[in-house]
Amino acid sequence: AQSVTQLGSHVSVSEGALVLLRCNYSSSVPPYLFWYVQYPNQGLQLLLKYTTGATLVKGINGFEAEFKKSETSFHLTKPSAHMSDAAEYFCAVSGDGGYQKVTFGIGTKLQVIP
Amino acid sequence: DTEVTQTPKHLVMGMTNKKSLKCEQHMGHRAMYWYKQKAKKPPELMFVYSYEKLSINESVPSRFSPECPNSSLLNLHLHALQPEDSALYLCASSQEGQENSPLHFGNGTRLTVT
Repeated sequence: AQSVTQLGSHVSVSEGALVLLRCNYSSSVPPYLFWYVQYPNQGLQLLLKYTTGATLVKGINGFEAEFKKSETSFHLTKPSAHMSDAAEYFCAVSGDGGYQKVTFGIGTKLQVIP
Repeated sequence: DTEVTQTPKHLVMGMTNKKSLKCEQHMGHRAMYWYKQKAKKPPELMFVYSYEKLSINESVPSRFSPECPNSSLLNLHLHALQPEDSALYLCASSQEGQENSPLHFGNGTRLTVT
């Protein structure tokens, strides 16, 4: 069965500092990987998705994710945090059991300190 | 603005009530989903409809009854719910047939069962 592990349920960074949110996945088939963001009282919004063959994936709002098959990781980064980045971030995987079965990680709440 | 519209935004119902949640999308997506999200938790898949047919039911109790009247609409009928069913109910859609097609979420209905 597929799974996603997000290390750190809460991450705090200073405004302007590097953002690094960690995600490791487990899947018995080549995975489809995604990062979503959720602002308070809203649904989830796609930040970026992994495309087969790519190593570095660029998303919206300056976010990027690097796919490392050897480490089964798909960490999310942003060079410089902005106050508006404060939100909950979910890593997600699908493929194992059908691509419509999307498994989400527990989420990482990002706090940006002014 | 979200392209998946959910109504109502908030719903309070007693354990003997019958109510319905509604979801509408006009993106031409042929896969539609219901997710349940408890506070500080990731979304959990409940149902998937593919081309207006129920394709996945994640062993959801029968007090939740989904319906897909057409390719744009998705309903979730609620009856005899329990207080532990209080949660944010999220509707999502995606393109059918594309394995890395991301989910497009509505802003959810916040349900409180009293």
